[in-house]
Amino acid sequence: AQKVTQAQTEISVVEKEDVTLDCVYETRDTTYYLFWYKQPPSGELVFLIRRNSFDEQNEISGRYSWNFQKSTSSFNFTITASQVVDSAVYFCALSEAPGAQKLVFGQGTRLTINP
Amino acid sequence: KAGVTQTPRYLIKTRGQQVTLSCSPISGHRSVSWYQQTPGQGLQFLFEYFSETQRNKGNFPGRFSGRQFSNSRSEMNVSTLELGDSALYLCASSLAKGGWTEAFFGQGTRLTVV
Repeated sequence: AQKVTQAQTEISVVEKEDVTLDCVYETRDTTYYLFWYKQPPSGELVFLIRRNSFDEQNEISGRYSWNFQKSTSSFNFTITASQVVDSAVYFCALSEAPGAQKLVFGQGTRLTINP
Repeated sequence: KAGVTQTPRYLIKTRGQQVTLSCSPISGHRSVSWYQQTPGQGLQFLFEYFSETQRNKGNFPGRFSGRQFSNSRSEMNVSTLELGDSALYLCASSLAKGGWTEAFFGQGTRLTVV
């Protein structure tokens, strides 16, 4: 069965600090997709990144970077030089079926950036 | 272009009643998925509809049902409401044209059962 674990329930840092959100997943499939979503107080989930199981290349987008390691079944997310606007709940998710839009989410990490 | 629209945004119902929530996907998107978010269980997949057919279903009781119309708009219905059904219900739409396509989420409907 699929499972996503985000062990960090809450993280609080001071602005400009770097912060890493951990994500560990379990799946029996060889083909799967991993995602990160951000949920601001308004409620909608905002897509941040998608990675497929064949692409272990790390990705950087501005202050955001992602580290995908199949050997440890992890897909960690780092925010560099955090800002107050980064405060939100972040979810890591997994999808096994390429054609079907079914996501298995972790429990989420509430990130608070203090000024 | 317009995003995913969910109506109503807030709803209060009494235990035992039924409720219908609506989701209008992004124009051109044919897949609509529904998720339930609660503090205890987190985000859980309810079902997905593609071209008016249910393509995937999560592990929820039969009180939870849905449908999709020819214009891709979707509704979900919960019958015989229980206190535990209080949650944020999120809808996501996607093109779903082969492979995995990004899912865009609405702001959700917050249902409170009293």
